[in-house]
Amino acid sequence: DQQVKQNSPSLSVQEGRISILNCDYTNSMFDYFLWYKKYPAEGPTFLISISSIKDKNEDGRFTVFLNKSAKHLSLHIVPSQPGDSAVYFCAASARGAQKLVFGQGTRLTINP
Amino acid sequence: DSGVTQTPKHLITATGQRVTLRCSPRSGDLSVYWYQQSLDQGLQFLIQYYNGEERAKGNILERFSAQQFPDLHSELNLSSLELGDSALYFCASSTSGNTDTQYFGPGTRLTVL
Repeated sequence: DQQVKQNSPSLSVQEGRISILNCDYTNSMFDYFLWYKKYPAEGPTFLISISSIKDKNEDGRFTVFLNKSAKHLSLHIVPSQPGDSAVYFCAASARGAQKLVFGQGTRLTINP
Repeated sequence: DSGVTQTPKHLITATGQRVTLRCSPRSGDLSVYWYQQSLDQGLQFLIQYYNGEERAKGNILERFSAQQFPDLHSELNLSSLELGDSALYFCASSTSGNTDTQYFGPGTRLTVL
């Protein structure tokens, strides 16, 4: 049962444009959501998080939006840079549960 | 650099063998998590320790076990290895072990031949 889904395995974006990565979840108990970025042969690197009491969180070029009614979150990267090329994982956790549940990841490629 | 260290970086072994993966959390973090990432799979939670005690368990096989020591480093023991155990194993740490951000180490790539 895939509780966190990233339906796009890959995404290609022109340098300088906006990258939008999407994530859907099914478990209504999830109340904390995170995005991680992963380069080959490295561990996931924390990017940004959002609590369910908010609908938006911004950190520099990265903004995460949460739509609780649709059980959907998205990560916006503006402007996209070549160094943003990586696999992006969406993750979620439920209050009282410690584990993170990860999506399958989206490979983002930024083209010059 | 997340501050989480894992050794070894690569491990190649044969079926039926036993291996130990080691993780040192970020300074001040009390909680350690282990995750497995198999080929074409997302990260799957295995087990969590908080200040030396097991806190949560995921889809961890009975052939696998873990512990967290008084200095807070953790070891993941994998025994009776099978070909399907070949994967990346990541350790993560967090401050409190409740809903907070987990920081990941670089991983150990295990290859079972």
